[in-house]
Amino acid sequence: DGGITQSPKYLFRKEGQNVTLSCEQNLNHDAMYWYRQDPGQGLRLIYYSQIVNDFQKGDIAEGYSVSREKKESFPLTVTSAQKNPTAFYLCASSIISSGANVLTFGAGSRLTVL
Amino acid sequence: AQTVTQSQPEMSVQEAETVTLSCTYDTSESDYYLFWYKQPPSRQMILVIRQEAYKQQNATENRFSVNFQKAAKSFSLKISDSQLGDAAMYFCAYRSYRDDKIIFGKGTRLHILP
Repeated sequence: DGGITQSPKYLFRKEGQNVTLSCEQNLNHDAMYWYRQDPGQGLRLIYYSQIVNDFQKGDIAEGYSVSREKKESFPLTVTSAQKNPTAFYLCASSIISSGANVLTFGAGSRLTVL
Repeated sequence: AQTVTQSQPEMSVQEAETVTLSCTYDTSESDYYLFWYKQPPSRQMILVIRQEAYKQQNATENRFSVNFQKAAKSFSLKISDSQLGDAAMYFCAYRSYRDDKIIFGKGTRLHILP
């Protein structure tokens, strides 16, 4: 079945450590997105990519980095520079066309900094 | 920059009644897409309904319909015959036609009262 796989589902990290969240899709979607979800804050865009080897900053990119070396993969690294990394992270993808293309979401990754 | 505002953090409705969730947005673009997504307790995001800005006709999907007022930059969601399974967080989202950036509001938590 086609879909988006995020891993790990739960992740714990010590302060000062970098951590990478995986996002893989087999939908042949062009665009991929990373969002952060905090209570009362909705979904805030971290980074997005429309094509391989290219990506754009979202509204809260500081302290995060991404790569898009393959169409299927869009990993997110939470660096030690991110002041408050504990959150729920959602990855999503979409085709790009002239229509109102919807996002397909992964199940999310919960990151907790100890 | 575009913004999406959902002014109702929480709402409650009696089962079988009708409820309307509000969403306003700000943009300088003339072409864009609008969406409502639902996030149940499982946290899996689900598309509820979508609207292309160039279409004057309001979108409908079974018990869900929108009131799209382009000049007022308003995009409300009406849920008719509310059911217990409608209880969830509802997010309004805006997609730029120009660069595929997708941003979300802070969400409205909907409670269904039996």
